[in-house]
Amino acid sequence: GNSVTQMEGPVTLSEEAFLTINCTYTATGYPSLFWYVQYPGEGLQLLLKATKADDKGSNKGFEATYRKETTSFHLEKGSVQVSDSAVYFCALSPPNSGGSNYKLTFGKGTLLTVNP
Amino acid sequence: ETGVTQTPRHLVMGMTNKKSLKCEQHLGHNAMYWYKQSAKKPLELMFVYSLEERVENNSVPSRFSPECPNSSHLFLHLHTLQPEDSALYLCASSQEGLINEKLFFGSGTQLSVL
Repeated sequence: GNSVTQMEGPVTLSEEAFLTINCTYTATGYPSLFWYVQYPGEGLQLLLKATKADDKGSNKGFEATYRKETTSFHLEKGSVQVSDSAVYFCALSPPNSGGSNYKLTFGKGTLLTVNP
Repeated sequence: ETGVTQTPRHLVMGMTNKKSLKCEQHLGHNAMYWYKQSAKKPLELMFVYSLEERVENNSVPSRFSPECPNSSHLFLHLHTLQPEDSALYLCASSQEGLINEKLFFGSGTQLSVL
């Protein structure tokens, strides 16, 4: 079956540090890949996505590149801010899901805390 | 404002109580979902309604009973819950038929079962 594995948290960084949150996946074929973010007291919201190999998703200074050869979709940001403190979820949507978005598979989430 | 509103934000209930969680979406979407979020576990999909018909039910215990009276409203009726059911319950919506259309989530109901 499909699965997503994220690095264990929590991750604690100082402001302006470089961030990497690792995500690897298991799926048949070419899934679409997503990063969702959950700020304190809120629901999840889409941060970025990539739908085919070698695509790079980017938003709000965050980037992730779809690497088929390593089945990875690591999240990176060059300089984090206190406001980036949140839980980050990696997710995949299997190929040929036909527009059925409920077939998303999520990872366990990684808590990021950024200190001033 | 995410367009998906959940009430209540917090709920404490005993194992013999009956309560309901409510979700409302103002986005004109045709699909709604219930997810369970527990610490250190992947998000668990519980129920999916598309065009007001239940299309997915992931082996959820019968003490959880969903209801979707129309495309904008979704309820989760709770009865005789167990302490392990304590979690954050998230509602989401999307437009089915559009490939890779993102999910819009509410802020959730934090449920504690005593």
